[in-house]
Amino acid sequence: NAGVTQTPKFRILKIGQSMTLQCTQDMNHNYMYWYRQDPGMGLKLIYYSVGAGITDKGEVPNGYNVSRSTTEDFPLRLELAAPSQTSVYFCASSYVGSGTNYGYTFGSGTRLTVV
Amino acid sequence: TQLLEQSPQFLSIQEGENLTVYCNSSSVFSSLQWYRQEPGEGPVLLVTVVTGGEVKKLKRLTFQFGDARKDSSLHITAAQPGDTGLYLCAGAESGSARQLTFGSGTQLTVLP
Repeated sequence: NAGVTQTPKFRILKIGQSMTLQCTQDMNHNYMYWYRQDPGMGLKLIYYSVGAGITDKGEVPNGYNVSRSTTEDFPLRLELAAPSQTSVYFCASSYVGSGTNYGYTFGSGTRLTVV
Repeated sequence: TQLLEQSPQFLSIQEGENLTVYCNSSSVFSSLQWYRQEPGEGPVLLVTVVTGGEVKKLKRLTFQFGDARKDSSLHITAAQPGDTGLYLCAGAESGSARQLTFGSGTQLTVLP
């Protein structure tokens, strides 16, 4: 079982460059999420999606964009990379039903450095 | 936005000792999860609790959900070096299951 697959695992970007972080899940989960994790700061929600074609902003959406054309895929786009976007990025998915979120399955993360 | 406070932030103990990690909030949760994260990996779900007063056991780990569904604890019996990691609690605010709010975590180190 693959679960949640993220690519790439590591990336170095120059200021102003763009890139897309890929995320795919094979569990038919309806919800998907993007978080960033900074040392000592915990997990901060960037964007999330409740289903194909539906996305919404999280706590820290500035500088990022997402799309959800299928249930399986939820890519995260950085348009103009800035040093403040240096972080570890995690994609996650979950099943939400009858008003209960049963917990996330996370990918293994993408470590991004902007120089 | 609900705030989840975890304590302690850091914990270093000897193999064989017991420990408890706490997760507290002023908000009521519809569900609460505990995760463990190892270096270079994503968090892994350990347990989900949804009923006030619920107690779940996973081998040497015991999870308790407060009666009022505002707090939770994780107790590890006879800790082993393999238990080392970052433990995170996360909750879904009552009436809104769309997203979880994470605590800042407890870094546990179990020394052999």
